[in-house]
Amino acid sequence: GESVGLHLPTLSVQEGDNSIINCAYSNSASDYFIWYKQESGKGPQFIIDIRSNMDKRQGQRVTVLLNKTVKHLSLQIAATQPGDSAVYFCAENWDTGRRALTFGSGTRLQVQP
Amino acid sequence: DTAVSQTPKYLVTQMGNDKSIKCEQNLGHDTMYWYKQDSKKFLKIMFSYNNKELIINETVPNRFSPKSPDKAHLNLHINSLELGDSAVYFCASSQRQVAGETQYFGPGTRLLVL
Repeated sequence: GESVGLHLPTLSVQEGDNSIINCAYSNSASDYFIWYKQESGKGPQFIIDIRSNMDKRQGQRVTVLLNKTVKHLSLQIAATQPGDSAVYFCAENWDTGRRALTFGSGTRLQVQP
Repeated sequence: DTAVSQTPKYLVTQMGNDKSIKCEQNLGHDTMYWYKQDSKKFLKIMFSYNNKELIINETVPNRFSPKSPDKAHLNLHINSLELGDSAVYFCASSQRQVAGETQYFGPGTRLLVL
């Protein structure tokens, strides 16, 4: 079956640095993508989304980039803070009638003070 | 003020027991979901309901039975619990069940079957 993302890797960065978290998706019909942040013991929290008719979308300290040619999604976090430490998931949605999100396996971000 | 709430937060039980998890959302959303997160953090859809109607029923054992008494509530009943059911179960909701609708998640219910 088709899947989103990779095995759970860990990204370790210094506080104040920029972080880039990557995600590969394989369903070319996907038309909506979301990044979620999951802190320990909590549910996934919406960060930012992007539709397939866009290449880039910016939020507060976060930017999502979508490269449909290579089926790649990235989340950039500027000036990473200790509070950004969490597991980050990309999720995709395609119009098959299911309307459910398919999640990647996540990336753990560790911010070193 | 919690948007999506679940009870209980922790559930420890013996194999073979029957248990229920409750979910409520106060966002006025039409669609609710149950996801299962395994020990490797992988999140997978189990069910979704739109206006109390079952829309998605993934390949889940029929020991799992969702029930939606109204569109603000979606409960999950599990019969004859097995060791492999141990996981974190998340409820979520969205305004509509269409592509491109953000889903908001509850805090999760951590189920441990002994």
